Amino acid sequence: AQTVTQSQPEMSVQEAETVTLSCTYDTSESDYYLFWYKQPPSRQMILVIRQEAYKQQNATENRFSVNFQKAAKSFSLKISDSQLGDAAMYFCAYRSANTGNQFYFGTGTSLTVIP
Amino acid sequence: NAGVTQTPKFQVLKTGQSMTLQCAQDMNHEYMSWYRQDPGMGLRLIHYSVGAGITDQGEVPNGYNVSRSTTEDFPLRLLSAAPSQTSVYFCASSYDQGGYEQYFGPGTRLTVT
Repeated sequence: AQTVTQSQPEMSVQEAETVTLSCTYDTSESDYYLFWYKQPPSRQMILVIRQEAYKQQNATENRFSVNFQKAAKSFSLKISDSQLGDAAMYFCAYRSANTGNQFYFGTGTSLTVIP
Repeated sequence: NAGVTQTPKFQVLKTGQSMTLQCAQDMNHEYMSWYRQDPGMGLRLIHYSVGAGITDQGEVPNGYNVSRSTTEDFPLRLLSAAPSQTSVYFCASSYDQGGYEQYFGPGTRLTVT
């Protein structure tokens, strides 16, 4: 089974600053997808960004971008111009490109935004 | 679309009681799954399904049963509740292809005393 590791249980960032959350994964597959999810205090899981492994270009969604290093099996999330509403738990997830395959989640990083 | 709905939102059970957590989606997703979330442990997969009549075990299936009689519904049954099953439970669904994201329900907070 694939494993997803988030080595930073907690992070903090000053409002308007930039923070990077780390994620590494272990797989022998060449075709897969990676996701970052956000879970605010409301508990609702929200997709932040998605990356296809076959794409070399890093995905970007407004203030959120990823640094995808396929050879290193690394998938970090960069949040620019941090806002108070970014405070949440962030989960990294992996899914094989094959059908019928489950999602694998990391243990999460709790992000605090300091005003 | 209502998306993924879960009921109830909160539940308190006594040890040994049984109950069913309901999950439904209206997006015609083949793939549905149940997770439990515990502090410091992220989301752990309990059971999943890739279509009506097809279910499989995840990482932590003991003490839970599932069935998938329709595309829309995927109930999770706790057979004999134990305090170790105190957790937040999430149902999620997606298309059964790798690139599609999972959509999550709002979660059920279950306490077993």
